[in-house]
Amino acid sequence: TQLLEQSPQFLSIQEGENLTVYCNSSSVFSSLQWYRQEPGEGPVLLVTVVTGGEVKKLKRLTFQFGDARKDSSLHITAAQPGDTGLYLCAGANNDMRFGAGTRLTVKP
Amino acid sequence: DTAVSQTPKYLVTQMGNDKSIKCEQNLGHDTMYWYKQDSKKFLKIMFSYNNKELIINETVPNRFSPKSPDKAHLNLHINSLELGDSAVYFCASSQSTGNGEKLFFGSGTQLSVL
Repeated sequence: TQLLEQSPQFLSIQEGENLTVYCNSSSVFSSLQWYRQEPGEGPVLLVTVVTGGEVKKLKRLTFQFGDARKDSSLHITAAQPGDTGLYLCAGANNDMRFGAGTRLTVKP
Repeated sequence: DTAVSQTPKYLVTQMGNDKSIKCEQNLGHDTMYWYKQDSKKFLKIMFSYNNKELIINETVPNRFSPKSPDKAHLNLHINSLELGDSAVYFCASSQSTGNGEKLFFGSGTQLSVL
């Protein structure tokens, strides 16, 4: 059983569409991070959210931490082919635990 | 100038062999990690070292032995390789062990056991 469940597992959309991916857990985390991983590379940190209800924006990406600090969402507006990649959420307690990721493909 | 570098990038070997993966970070971080990413892309922590001291040791077969000669290096030695060990292994580092610390990952070592 994974600590963090990410959905959907796979998402394929056209350039310009909006999308939301989710990261859910029954555990409370002190913070939650989102990473993006491209083929043949290691994950790269996008954002860290710490406070319940916190919203952070990174250009076209909007991250939200749930009020109870058990879940998070990532919304991408007007997706571009460069957004293609594996999006991983990671929750922090004593260490960092990762979800299995959402594989996003944005077609031109 | 790579922050976290691991070698080799690809490792193909026979069952039963012993192999090592090396990792070095030039960020001056205190904490280093080994993660295993399986074919379903699930990234699972294996070990964590802080200033050369082991602080996390997940349920990993004792065929896997990490070694940290100094805080900039964390190598992974694997004895008697098995088919199920095939995966991508990532080294990572962070400034400290605090919650929410940013992890810096290497580019991975793809291990294939035949």
